[in-house]
Amino acid sequence: DQQVKQNSPSLSVQEGRISILNCDYTNSMFDYFLWYKKYPAEGPTFLISISSIKDKNEDGRFTVFLNKSAKHLSLHIVPSQPGDSAVYFCAASYTSGTYKYIFGTGTRLKVLA
Amino acid sequence: DAGVIQSPRHEVTEMGQEVTLRCKPISGHNSLFWYRQTMMRGLELLIYFNNNVPIDDSGMPEDRFSAKMPNASFSTLKIQPSEPRDSAVYFCASSRVAGEETQYFGPGTRLLVL
Repeated sequence: DQQVKQNSPSLSVQEGRISILNCDYTNSMFDYFLWYKKYPAEGPTFLISISSIKDKNEDGRFTVFLNKSAKHLSLHIVPSQPGDSAVYFCAASYTSGTYKYIFGTGTRLKVLA
Repeated sequence: DAGVIQSPRHEVTEMGQEVTLRCKPISGHNSLFWYRQTMMRGLELLIYFNNNVPIDDSGMPEDRFSAKMPNASFSTLKIQPSEPRDSAVYFCASSRVAGEETQYFGPGTRLLVL
């Protein structure tokens, strides 16, 4: 039972256009959400996060949107660059003390030059 | 400043053999996490330690898996006996405190059990 789901295993976008990566979760107790980026042969690196008290968080070209009622979050990358080509994992956690991150299965983004 | 160090980077072994994966967290970090990445299940948390003490091992698949953290700068994940279904990439991550948003991941160990 995947509590965090990334239903699109892959996505291709033209350079300069917007990339939208989606993530759904099932547990309404999650109150903190993160996106990690992973290049081949490297470990995941933290990209951006959002608390459940917000519905949007922006950092440069990256924006994460949270829709709590739909249990859905998305990562927008504008404009997309070839260097953004990687696997993106979304993760969810509780801040009540378990400190566990539940990761999705990842979406492979390919930005075409 | 060295990041999380994992060894070996690649391991090929035969079914039934013991496998030991090693991790050195970032100095000063007191929380350490072991994850497994597979295509089907993505990144799964196996176990995490806080101040060298195992806090949650509910993700450990079965008794064949064990993890230790004898001191703040070293942890091992052992599989005995190994099985082909254990083939995956195993990541170690550390953070300053459990719950801090940024977990820093090592490069991973790619394990293939034949």
